[in-house]
Amino acid sequence: GDSVTQMEGPVTLSEEAFLTINCTYTATGYPSLFWYVQYPGEGLQLLLKATKADDKGSNKGFEATYRKETTSFHLEKGSVQVSDSAVYFCALRDAGGTSYGKLTFGQGTILTVHP
Amino acid sequence: DGGITQSPKYLFRKEGQNVTLSCEQNLNHDAMYWYRQDPGQGLRLIYYSQIVNDFQKGDIAEGYSVSREKKESFPLTVTSAQKNPTAFYLCASSIPGTGINQPQHFGDGTRLSIL
Repeated sequence: GDSVTQMEGPVTLSEEAFLTINCTYTATGYPSLFWYVQYPGEGLQLLLKATKADDKGSNKGFEATYRKETTSFHLEKGSVQVSDSAVYFCALRDAGGTSYGKLTFGQGTILTVHP
Repeated sequence: DGGITQSPKYLFRKEGQNVTLSCEQNLNHDAMYWYRQDPGQGLRLIYYSQIVNDFQKGDIAEGYSVSREKKESFPLTVTSAQKNPTAFYLCASSIPGTGINQPQHFGDGTRLSIL
C-alpha cells in the first residue's frame, strides 16, 4: 500500500536558518505529492504541490521537488521566520487502483523557529 | 468566500453518549472526507464520500458513522462503540478521484474530549 515517511522532529531552528524536512514515499501508481501546514489549533492548509516527476512546487519561500528516482519530496526554505513555526505534513494522492483520491499522510514534523 | 466550516470547535462527550460533528462546505465539491488526528501521528481516514447518498469506510471506521444527504454536508457521529474518541477531527473536501492533482481543502477541526 501507499505510505509516506517524514523525518522525525521536532525541528528547532533560529530565525533566518535554512530548513529541510525530508519526505520519502511508496506508491503503487503515479501519485501527486503535497505539503500541508498546520498552525496551532487549526486545520491543514495546502502549502505546495507537485503532480509529476521533476515538478517543483513553491509557495511563500518554501520549495519541494518531485524526485521519482529517489521517491522523495523534501521541503526546503532558505530563511525561516518565527511565523513558520507549525506542523508540516507530507502527503500523496494516488489514482492507481481505487480512484477516490485518498490522501496518505506522513506523521508530521513539528517546526519551532526562535528569534 | 468558499470554504469548509466545522462545528463545534470543542466538544465533550460523556461515557456511553453519541455525539455528532458537523461539516459544511460551499466549494461545490463532490468528495468529502473525515480524518482523525492524534498527537505525534499523521491523519487517518475515517470515512469518505464521493457523491451524495454514497459513502465508504476508510482505514479506521469502527465506532463511527456518517451520512451524506446533501452535497454540502457530511456529518460524523462518534458512537459509544468508539472506545478512544479523544482526538482532533478534520473534515476535508475535494474534486473526486480523477482529479488527483487537486488538493483537499480542510476545515479548522473539532477537538473532542471525554468527560
